[in-house]
Amino acid sequence: ETGVTQSPTHLIKTRGQQVTLRCSSQSGHNTVSWYQQALGQGPQFIFQYYREEENGRGNFPPRFSGLQFPNYSSELNVNALELDDSALYLCASSNRGGLETQYFGPGTRLLVL
Amino acid sequence: AQSVTQPDIHITVSEGASLELRCNYSYGATPYLFWYVQSPGQGLQLLLKYFSGDTLVQGIKGFEAEFKRSQSSFNLRKPSVHWSDAAEYFCAVALMNRDDKIIFGKGTRLHILP
Repeated sequence: ETGVTQSPTHLIKTRGQQVTLRCSSQSGHNTVSWYQQALGQGPQFIFQYYREEENGRGNFPPRFSGLQFPNYSSELNVNALELDDSALYLCASSNRGGLETQYFGPGTRLLVL
Repeated sequence: AQSVTQPDIHITVSEGASLELRCNYSYGATPYLFWYVQSPGQGLQLLLKYFSGDTLVQGIKGFEAEFKRSQSSFNLRKPSVHWSDAAEYFCAVALMNRDDKIIFGKGTRLHILP
């Protein structure tokens, strides 16, 4: 059983650019959730994808968007990057059913200059 | 709005001493409750969870937590800490409705003295 993996591990972008982060869910899981963790803060929910459709969204602007693919892997896209987007981006996979634990990947560290 | 409060930003204990990390939540009903640990540069690892039933929950690495409905608390405890326990600890609640999103507290950084 493979765990949750994310790529890249680190990324440096400049303000105004666009970025795509990737997440491979744990084997057998059909749901991926994305979180942003700013320095010194707890993770904040961005959105969740279940069977290729967005299934809930946190308080993030539309320039944060995502995709989920038939193999349940997922992408997080951020357009028009701002300095405050610098953070650790975590994805978590689970199986929808209400009580399933979310398993987190190691994260992608994004720095916006 | 639902929220999670971890009142201690930093806690320092000596190796071998007991530990209690505090967590309070604000929610109209009993949510699902979690404690996660994050080592530097790492993702989040689930220590334990409470969904229902026995209010004292056992987790990995010798941790336990007790749910107290009257106090809206879910404090994490360990009888004897090890140097490897130094990390950031996050209390979290989940609503388990449409989107199952997890709401995290701001975390407590645990420092261990030798």
